[in-house]
Amino acid sequence: EAQVTQNPRYLITVTGKKLTVTCSQNMNHEYMSWYRQDPGLGLRQIYYSMNVEVTDKGDVPEGYKVSRKEKRNFPLILESPSPNQTSLYFCASSVQGPNQPQHFGDGTRLSIL
Amino acid sequence: AQSVAQPEDQVNVAEGNPLTVKCTYSVSGNPYLFWYVQYPNRGLQFLLKYITGDNLVKGSYGFEAEFNKSQTSFHLKKPSALVSDSALYFCAVRDGSDSWGKLQFGAGTQVVVTP
Repeated sequence: EAQVTQNPRYLITVTGKKLTVTCSQNMNHEYMSWYRQDPGLGLRQIYYSMNVEVTDKGDVPEGYKVSRKEKRNFPLILESPSPNQTSLYFCASSVQGPNQPQHFGDGTRLSIL
Repeated sequence: AQSVAQPEDQVNVAEGNPLTVKCTYSVSGNPYLFWYVQYPNRGLQFLLKYITGDNLVKGSYGFEAEFNKSQTSFHLKKPSALVSDSALYFCAVRDGSDSWGKLQFGAGTQVVVTP
């Protein structure tokens, strides 16, 4: 089954404790992206990757890191999480091209205390 | 820069009645427009897109959307709503002239269909 898999689905942690949210896709997609969803703001892009070893900042990259060492994986790293990073996070992937719809994971709900 | 406006936070409709979810956009190049739906505890699912051609686009689950260039709108419609259509709907736009252009989302519209 074609899918984007995120782990964990839920995480409660404390300020300053490094965490990684993993994202994996099995569709051989070139493009991958991370979004955060906050009420009233829709989805805002954090980082995106056009292919292996090629990443770029989205609208709200502060406090986040990413890497793309393999085509299928695109982990999101919070080096020193803070309460304002409490949010619902989505990973997405697609084939190359602006006309291509994105496929989304089921989301990761992070609570930073 | 591009932007999307969904003017209604929530749309309430009775089952069997027509459903419309409004979306207007702003983009400097060619607009590539998308609708996504989000059910509780799930990721966004693609419904339909407008790239070029016929202004009326048909998508999944009986949904359709009408592209209006002069009004810069891309409203989502369904002739007869179902209770199972209750979900959060997002409109999104991309600049078609940019190969890696950002997908800009609206704030979302909650649709509530009552029996």
